Amino acid sequence: GAGVSQSPSNKVTEKGKDVELRCDPISGHTALYWYRQSLGQGLEFLIYFQGNSAPDKSGLPSDRFSAERTGGSVSTLTIQRTQQEDSAVYLCASSPRQEMNTEAFFGQGTRLTVV
Amino acid sequence: GESVGLHLPTLSVQEGDNSIINCAYSNSASDYFIWYKQESGKGPQFIIDIRSNMDKRQGQRVTVLLNKTVKHLSLQIAATQPGDSAVYFCAEKETGRRALTFGSGTRLQVQP
Repeated sequence: GAGVSQSPSNKVTEKGKDVELRCDPISGHTALYWYRQSLGQGLEFLIYFQGNSAPDKSGLPSDRFSAERTGGSVSTLTIQRTQQEDSAVYLCASSPRQEMNTEAFFGQGTRLTVV
Repeated sequence: GESVGLHLPTLSVQEGDNSIINCAYSNSASDYFIWYKQESGKGPQFIIDIRSNMDKRQGQRVTVLLNKTVKHLSLQIAATQPGDSAVYFCAEKETGRRALTFGSGTRLQVQP
């Protein structure tokens, strides 16, 4: 696609429910990242994929958070038993190359609200 | 939707003036730095990057300066335009990692 696509754009869920957030990276991009942006704060790194593997998942805040990537393309971030503090904008980004120092292109994010 | 908070430091400039946005970083192991622009309801947009072996890099109307001695990064925008109004984030990357660490952001308001 022309850019990184995320769905849904907005999600309201009840506390305790599970949610899945989807990211379609730019076609051919091998690296994929998930970040979280809470109100009043910068972006917080969650997890990084190179192909289908996740060499860095150090930012996942708890074992309620998990992510997978299939076919080296689409990624899904799953949050189980959502809590109100999970409310944030979840941003996905992808990079075209394997080299370390390269920019990442971001999607518009999924705004998650846990009520 | 809103993507930034209510208490961000704000820089207000007149249209046509030059803007300078500053960022301090703390990790001496950082080797790559990026400036992103984020408009309301959108994801961050890449502006310019710089590697740690450089101290200055210029793009179209933008310049990034890196001072590794004091761990300071700045973004200069020439002839600021209303379309430049947004929140600007600096991001740094540690050697050997792919993850970016973002600063908390600065809101730029351009007065016509």
